[in-house]
Amino acid sequence: QSVLTQPPSASGTPGQRVSISCSGSISHLRTSTVSWFQHLPGAAPRTLLVDNDKRPSGVPDRFSASRSGTSASLAISGLQSEDEGDYYCAAWDDSVDVWVFGGGTRLTVL
Amino acid sequence: EVQLVESGGGLAQAGGSMTLACVSSGYTFENYAMHWVRRAPGKGLEWISGIDWNSRRRGYADSVSGRFVISRDNAKKTLFLQLSSLTSDDTALYYCVKDINSDYDYGLDVWGQGTSVTVSS
Repeated sequence: QSVLTQPPSASGTPGQRVSISCSGSISHLRTSTVSWFQHLPGAAPRTLLVDNDKRPSGVPDRFSASRSGTSASLAISGLQSEDEGDYYCAAWDDSVDVWVFGGGTRLTVL
Repeated sequence: EVQLVESGGGLAQAGGSMTLACVSSGYTFENYAMHWVRRAPGKGLEWISGIDWNSRRRGYADSVSGRFVISRDNAKKTLFLQLSSLTSDDTALYYCVKDINSDYDYGLDVWGQGTSVTVSS
């Protein structure tokens, strides 16, 4: 069973930079692209980064991503109170032809 | 502006069926793959199905395989999801999502607002 592991929670103060990690089994994180999504309370999910590091139009460059081997990270700089919500990574698992989501990280802005 | 509008959710009995629809606008629907993703209460996002641009390739998560069917009508710019043999585990908000490419293994791009499905036992 393919799994992407994220920390259940993260926190930071306004203006701070926070990082959220995403680690997975070799079968998909080594060769697949990783996407990151934001899901704020009461809103639809929003794609922050797709195909590893491409930002859809309208996504501020405060959001960036990196990866190394079987791990990936989302970085949020200049943290704002409206960033508080859930963040997910996802990757394509070509061994079973499904998208795998991480369990999500709840970000709290203190 | 790309817009995806889901409909068809509601209350269903366990063992029952329903069909969700997603109408797209603001882009050339027939050029892009599409997905359905859900979020159950208290749980995270779960990809459940994808379909390529011309319906030749479709995929499902194990949790819905054999019970749900994804389809699309390019002329009507509409994506569908037929749900059957529903259980309480299917209670969730269901989101329609556009891919960045013509096949569904590239990346999820634009999300709809979602439609709620509640299964009662």
